Amino acid sequence: GAVVSQHPSRVICKSGTSVKIECRSLDFQATTMFWYRQFPKKSLMLMATSNEGSKATYEQGVEKDKFLINHASLTLSTLTVTSAHPEDSSFYICSASRLESDYEQYFGPGTRLTVT
Amino acid sequence: AQKVTQAQTEISVVEKEDVTLDCVYETRDTTYYLFWYKQPPSGELVFLIRRNSFDEQNEISGRYSWNFQKSTSSFNFTITASQVVDSAVYFCALSEESGGGADGLTFGKGTHLIIQP
Repeated sequence: GAVVSQHPSRVICKSGTSVKIECRSLDFQATTMFWYRQFPKKSLMLMATSNEGSKATYEQGVEKDKFLINHASLTLSTLTVTSAHPEDSSFYICSASRLESDYEQYFGPGTRLTVT
Repeated sequence: AQKVTQAQTEISVVEKEDVTLDCVYETRDTTYYLFWYKQPPSGELVFLIRRNSFDEQNEISGRYSWNFQKSTSSFNFTITASQVVDSAVYFCALSEESGGGADGLTFGKGTHLIIQP
């Protein structure tokens, strides 16, 4: 159990367009979902924390108008990169946390975004 | 503020050697969780262990073992009799416990482990 999926796994988009990444908890209800980004050969950096039905909490330095997070249900969170630019190219990983397992986080497989 | 330091950027050993990956953390909280993850070239994070701050017992799982020492704020990871399949980037991470739930993870910079045949 405790499987988290992300879609798409890879996406290439043109500069100026927006792209949406979905994160789903397949077999459990996620109390909280987290979004991370990872640049090549770098560490993972927390971008934002989202709880179902409420606004996401963004980490310092992360533009909330650029990275729109919607957490409409206990099994789905979406990250929309608006007006993407080449510097937004990165590996985006979500995780989902559930109360029943003492808030352990389960990570999705990641989405590789390339902006041309 | 919390911080995780993995001083070893890259380690290269020959297969069957033992190798220890270091992790030092900083936090002001008394309740926190420590993690180790493996990231193979595919990019997907593989969960290895989670340890809460009140459990200082060392843990062994097959060829993997972890040494948690609060006195030195360290949570080191040892692979015994390394294998080529152990080659990956390994991340140590820390999560503080906010009221009613867990916070996002703070990751170290990772250690790239290369196991040569």
